[in-house]
Amino acid sequence: LAKTTQPISMDSYEGQEVNITCSHNNIATNDYITWYQQFPSQGPRFIIQGYKTKVTNEVASLFIPADRKSSTLSLPRVSLSDTAVYYCLVGTYNTDKLIFGTGTRLQVFP
Amino acid sequence: GAVVSQHPSRVICKSGTSVKIECRSLDFQATTMFWYRQFPKQSLMLMATSNEGSKATYEQGVEKDKFLINHASLTLSTLTVTSAHPEDSSFYICSARDERIGEQYFGPGTRLTVT
Repeated sequence: LAKTTQPISMDSYEGQEVNITCSHNNIATNDYITWYQQFPSQGPRFIIQGYKTKVTNEVASLFIPADRKSSTLSLPRVSLSDTAVYYCLVGTYNTDKLIFGTGTRLQVFP
Repeated sequence: GAVVSQHPSRVICKSGTSVKIECRSLDFQATTMFWYRQFPKQSLMLMATSNEGSKATYEQGVEKDKFLINHASLTLSTLTVTSAHPEDSSFYICSARDERIGEQYFGPGTRLTVT
């Protein structure tokens, strides 16, 4: 399973765009990249998943360069409720157990 | 979206007793479920993979005789913490994989406090 590296923490203000980058240098050909969000004392919540280029949903965008050795989660116009820990995971679609890295603790200020 | 439930949401037990935590997939069948443990300010640590109808696969360092896992049906996996000690106090989270679409859904977690 590819190991991931993320910044430990990030700070932002309401209304700003936040970009969290994840490095996964050893990503395998069949691996997908998935991002989860976790609030205190809750289970992780799926945000977005992608394989290459760009994926967008109603919550976030995921940018993946051609070499796929990194990915960037983009949260547009964050609010206080986006304060959470964000985890980047890589694994083979539908088969791998998910191994969590350290995650990025995002703090949004008013 | 798919829902995974856990019961109880929090439990307090005395040292030396056993505690059972249930994980249910509510609107899909899951042959594979996972159990995680999370200590304060730390990431989730995978404890074991629960396979319906067969023995669970434990991660290195996790005592299989202490953390008993049973996955007797396609919608239910249970984790029993046997002879609990204060150091077992933690947040236990399960997840279930919906193999139709390959997505994994997490339960809300169970806060275990051993006194």
